[in-house]
Order: sequence, then structure tokens, then C-alpha cells
Amino acid sequence: QKEVEQNSGPLSVPEGAIASLNCTYSDRGSQSFFWYRQYSGKSPELIMFIYSNGDKEDGRFTAQLNKASQYVSLLIRDSQPSDSATYLCAVPYSSASKIIFGSGTRLSIRP
Amino acid sequence: EPEVTQTPSHQVTQMGQEVILRCVPISNHLYFYWYRQILGQKVEFLVSFYNNEISEKSEIFDDQFSVERPDGSNFTLKIRSTKLEDSAMYFCASSETGGGKPQHFGDGTRLSIL
Repeated sequence: QKEVEQNSGPLSVPEGAIASLNCTYSDRGSQSFFWYRQYSGKSPELIMFIYSNGDKEDGRFTAQLNKASQYVSLLIRDSQPSDSATYLCAVPYSSASKIIFGSGTRLSIRP
Repeated sequence: EPEVTQTPSHQVTQMGQEVILRCVPISNHLYFYWYRQILGQKVEFLVSFYNNEISEKSEIFDDQFSVERPDGSNFTLKIRSTKLEDSAMYFCASSETGGGKPQHFGDGTRLSIL
């Protein structure tokens, strides 16, 4: 059974600080990794994706991959109240036709 | 920016009735997907569709479910005889190609079975 695990939180971070979110995955052969942001009652919004060839930075977001330990992380610098949401880690499996989602980490940015 | 559109945003249906959820994927995308999310639970894969056929389906996607691309733009999910446990948010997604490329989600249809 392919699994993606996340700490459900809530993770509370002061405004302006760095939020660090982690995710572990079970399939050692996975090659790509996605982070989605989901506001309450809304759909998942893709915010970052990385491939197994390295880390990626996009604005305030950095996604890092540790293949040996099978985890991916998302760092959010200069956290804003609008970053308060649930962050879903997602990993494509099998023929990469489907994504397996983690249960999400609820992030709360306190002013 | 191109987006996946879904209709209706909310569908209320009596148990046992058929329901069709509609999606218009991003125009140059070739792979289409349906996911569902029961309130408070994970997003779960239902089915993927490529080249006018199902490429993969989950154990949730039983004989009560079907998908279709009736024309060049729409992608539909039909539930033949709805059950109470089908109540969920249903998300359509699309990607340019397979091979682990990012999937972009629509706003979802909230399906409520009475």
C-alpha cells in the first residue's frame, strides 16, 4: 500500500517567521512530488512541485527532497496570515497516473 | 491563466438517483482525473482518463461510476445510483501529460445525497 504521511498539526507560526512542513512517502521509486494548498471548503491549489533531481525555490516557498530518508519538506519564508491553510503533500504513483495525497498539515499564522 | 472548470458547484440529489458531474479540463491537457474528498478526510483518487479510455481506477470506482468525454471539451463523471456515502466534494483535474506531471484541480462539486 503506497502511503504519504503528514503531521496533521495544527502548526502555529508567528507572522514573518519560517514555517516548515514535512511529509514522508513509502515508494522509494517516486520521482516527483507536489505540494498543494487547500483553504477550508476550497479545492487543492498547486503551489510547488519538485522532481528527484533537486530542490526548488519559488518566491517565499522552497521545496526540499531527501531521497535517502524518503521525505519532502516545504519551507515558507516570511509567513503571512494568508498562508493559513491546510498543506497537502502529494506523490504520483504507479504509472504516475494517480496522485496519492497525505492527510494534510493545518498551518496557522498568528499575527 | 487557464483553469479547470466544474459544474455544478453544488448538487443535491435523492439517494438512488443518477447524477452527472461535469468538467472542462484545461484545453491543451491530455490527461483527466476525478478525485473525491469526504468532509474532513483525505483527497482520494477515483479514476484517470487518457486517449478516450480509463487508464487507471481505484477500488472506490466501482460499477456505479463511469466517465466519459462526450465531446472535445467536456469530461463527465456519472454515478448511476447514488448512496448516502457518495456525499463528498468531487474534484476534476487535468495535466498536460502523464509521467508525474503536475495536476491542476477545478473548484469542485459538492455532492449531497439525501
